[in-house]
Amino acid sequence: EAGVAQSPRYKIIEKRQSVAFWCNPISGHATLYWYQQILGQGPKLLIQFQNNGVVDDSQLPKDRFSAERLKGVDSTLKIQPAKLEDSAVYLCASSSVRGARTDTQYFGPGTRLTVL
Amino acid sequence: KQEVTQIPAALSVPEGENLVLNCSFTDSAIYNLQWFRQDPGKGLTSLLLIQSSQREQTSGRLNASLDKSSGRSTLYIAASQPGDSATYLCAALTGGGNKLTFGTGTQLKVEL
Repeated sequence: EAGVAQSPRYKIIEKRQSVAFWCNPISGHATLYWYQQILGQGPKLLIQFQNNGVVDDSQLPKDRFSAERLKGVDSTLKIQPAKLEDSAVYLCASSSVRGARTDTQYFGPGTRLTVL
Repeated sequence: KQEVTQIPAALSVPEGENLVLNCSFTDSAIYNLQWFRQDPGKGLTSLLLIQSSQREQTSGRLNASLDKSSGRSTLYIAASQPGDSATYLCAALTGGGNKLTFGTGTQLKVEL
C-alpha cells in the first residue's frame, strides 16, 4: 500500500511571496489533515477534511492560508503572502474511510518551508 | 483546551538500557492516546494507539500505558538499540472532530 505523498519536499521563498503544497493521501482514505510543525514543537492541526468538506479549520490563519480538497482525493495548501513565522514543516496525514476514533493517522514525509 | 506535555525533552542512554518516556495531558476526556516516532527529515510513524477504555498496548519491545484519571501515559522501551534513536511524540485525540493534540516530543539518542 502506497503511503501519503507530498511535494515539494523542500521550498525556500522570500517573505510576501506565495507558495503551495500538494498532498495525495492513501487510496480510499476519506479524512485528510494538514499540520504545521515548527522546529522544536509538536505538529499543530491547521485543517481537517472529510471527503470534500472541512471538519475543522479553527487554527488555520485564514487571512493568508487556504486549503482545498477537490474530488475528495488530493489536497493543496497555499500560503499568500508568506511571513517569516511560517517557516516550518507542513505535514499531511490521512485516515481511513470514516476517520473514526479508532483509526490511526498516516503521515507523509512533509514539506520543509523556509521563509527568508 | 487540551495541552500535552512530554518529559524529558531529550534523553541519552547507552545501548541495552530500558527507558521510560512520559506524557501528560490536561483534559482527561480523550478518545485515545497515540505514540508516534519521528526520524529527522521524515514524517511521523504511528507506534501504538491506546483506546480510552484500555490500560496498555504492547508492540515488540514497546509498551504504552494510559491512566486517564491522572492524565498520564508512558512509553516503555525495553533493551534500547541505536536504531531507536528518534523523536517520540505523544498525541491525545479529543473533540467531535477527532482532533489530535501533540506534545513537543522527547528526543532520544541511544549510544553504542
